Amino acid sequence: DIQMTQSPSTLSASMGDRVNITCRASQSISRWLAWYQLKPGKAPKLLIYKASSLDSGVPARFSGSGSETDFTLTISSLQPDDFATYYCQQYNLFSPWTFGQGTRVEIK
Amino acid sequence: HVQLVQSGAEVKRPGASVKVSCKASGFPFSSYYIHWVRQAPGQGPEWMGNINPSGSSTEYAQKFQGRVTMTRDTSTSTIYMEMRSLTSEDTAIYYCAGPSAGVVYWGQGTLVTVSS
Repeated sequence: DIQMTQSPSTLSASMGDRVNITCRASQSISRWLAWYQLKPGKAPKLLIYKASSLDSGVPARFSGSGSETDFTLTISSLQPDDFATYYCQQYNLFSPWTFGQGTRVEIK
Repeated sequence: HVQLVQSGAEVKRPGASVKVSCKASGFPFSSYYIHWVRQAPGQGPEWMGNINPSGSSTEYAQKFQGRVTMTRDTSTSTIYMEMRSLTSEDTAIYYCAGPSAGVVYWGQGTLVTVSS
């Protein structure tokens, strides 16, 4: 199975900060990479699909980049609603899905 | 408008089975793989397996082999996930999900609580 290594595991930041979360795949996944925001008791919220496409209704402060094995989620200016846990997910066709270990974004 | 609508919450005794449904609408159901993912309290998402568009083939994570069965009813655009021999470790929210044109759509989740 493809392994996803996500970092950091915890990120302390202030409102308005620019933050980056990275995800590395153990082998090339082309651009089959999604980013999610998770909050307790709620379904995963898709932020980015196909590495860099913003899902409908997601604020433009979220962006994704990368391809093959190295990917980044950027939040350009942290807002109160952004303090949550974020996961990357590879959904390479015809292989089991795998998720990163998660990044908890907390208030500094 | 793509929707995956799951069945309601379940409470089961240890050793019992549970069957969760996921009804799809708004996209060509018969063309896409559907996956099941669960999230236990305080844990990250965990992929359980998938079923192919026709329902003729499934792939399960090794952890769930022999205990999970995924089926698909193309006449009602519904996918089912059955898990047997439940333990307290299976208490989690179970999600169906499927990619369409690169976007990953998710059901709202079904809470399965296993408790004596």
